[in-house]
Amino acid sequence: EADIYQTPRYLVIGTGKKITLECSQTMGHDKMYWYQQDPGMELHLIHYSYGVNSTEKGDLSSESTVSRIRTEHFPLTLESARPSHTSQYLCASSPPTRPYEQYFGPGTRLTVT
Amino acid sequence: TQLLEQSPQFLSIQEGENLTVYCNSSSVFSSLQWYRQEPGEGPVLLVTVVTGGEVKKLKRLTFQFGDARKDSSLHITAAQPGDTGLYLCAGEETGANNLFFGTGTRLTVIP
Repeated sequence: EADIYQTPRYLVIGTGKKITLECSQTMGHDKMYWYQQDPGMELHLIHYSYGVNSTEKGDLSSESTVSRIRTEHFPLTLESARPSHTSQYLCASSPPTRPYEQYFGPGTRLTVT
Repeated sequence: TQLLEQSPQFLSIQEGENLTVYCNSSSVFSSLQWYRQEPGEGPVLLVTVVTGGEVKKLKRLTFQFGDARKDSSLHITAAQPGDTGLYLCAGEETGANNLFFGTGTRLTVIP
């Protein structure tokens, strides 16, 4: 059973606000990911990390930023939210022995008004 | 460029029927995963296949990796309402660092 947590689960905020989406895992996985998913659609990789102090941009351009100060924690920040940021954000991690298998959190559904 | 195409995009069937969904690509993958996602939740890993021609069974679900490692299928026998969800395939492209996710098949099993 994977142990990966995301908070908040749901967030409704106004345009221009700064927000941070939290993601934590207790499995000691080095590699972590952030995906963006519109309802019922495919996942698009926006950020990933190989480990502490490592952050990389994914395939989908995003105005968000990430940090990785601790192995278990991989927060995503939007400095100034816009309606175009409305989406579901999914965090995942993968074990070092099977990096192709990803374990997902429950997601944060963000609505920017 | 979409690496992984899934078909059908939507599928609605009666409880007890059998079904097959497909995941196709022109790229070769080192491994391929299948996930199921329920509304409001993250995807849950079902299986990983790594060898061309490999077949794996998970209760009523049978997964097959194509001989050339470019495609995969998921067959469900005697579908149940609990099988309802979005099925996503994901491939690890040789030499790439990350997974590429397919377009998804949304399955509804009607009681």
